[in-house]
Amino acid sequence: EPEVTQTPSHQVTQMGQEVILRCVPISNHLYFYWYRQILGQKVEFLVSFYNNEISEKSEIFDDQFSVERPDGSNFTLKIRSTKLEDSAMYFCASRGDPNTGELFFGEGSRLTVL
Amino acid sequence: AQKITQTQPGMFVQEKEAVTLDCTYDTSDPSYGLFWYKQPSSGEMIFLIYQGSYDQQNATEGRYSLNFQKARKSANLVISASQLGDSAMYFCAMGAYGGATNKLIFGTGTLLAVQP
Repeated sequence: EPEVTQTPSHQVTQMGQEVILRCVPISNHLYFYWYRQILGQKVEFLVSFYNNEISEKSEIFDDQFSVERPDGSNFTLKIRSTKLEDSAMYFCASRGDPNTGELFFGEGSRLTVL
Repeated sequence: AQKITQTQPGMFVQEKEAVTLDCTYDTSDPSYGLFWYKQPSSGEMIFLIYQGSYDQQNATEGRYSLNFQKARKSANLVISASQLGDSAMYFCAMGAYGGATNKLIFGTGTLLAVQP
């Protein structure tokens, strides 16, 4: 069964450092997303990406965040200067048809900012 | 604006019994989908079941069924014959259709504990 893969599974970084979280969506999917889940809280939408551009972003997704699809397979989330409150699980997700069915999630990347 | 409400922060159920996890939603979009995801302690998000707003019948997937009551704006998840492995956090989510994004909005979750 096709799956969304994310790396790293866990990253520990110092406050102020840049972090890049990587995702490989399902190969024939066209819509890509990043979500965030702070420990013990609900899953929050960060950004959606379609046709090589951001289609929507939440208020969480400020200038410190950026996304990129550098090649035909990878989808990355960059945090330029991490803050303590960026500590969370970051989920990548993809879907083929936006109007029906499942949003496929990766297993998440846990980011710990010290 | 869309909103998902899960009023049960935690639930207990005896093994082999059925359990209903509540979810209500609010939206002005004419077309939308409702989703349930399971999140075990390992953290991954596992898709369980989906219901489209225009689907005439309630969705079922094995032991999972979605009790969709459109007029009441509720989309409760029913798990039949609970198993110990069902112990997890369960999230209800909603996505509107027709736009370029179709992001999902999640509820706060219900932590289900299945007791032997």
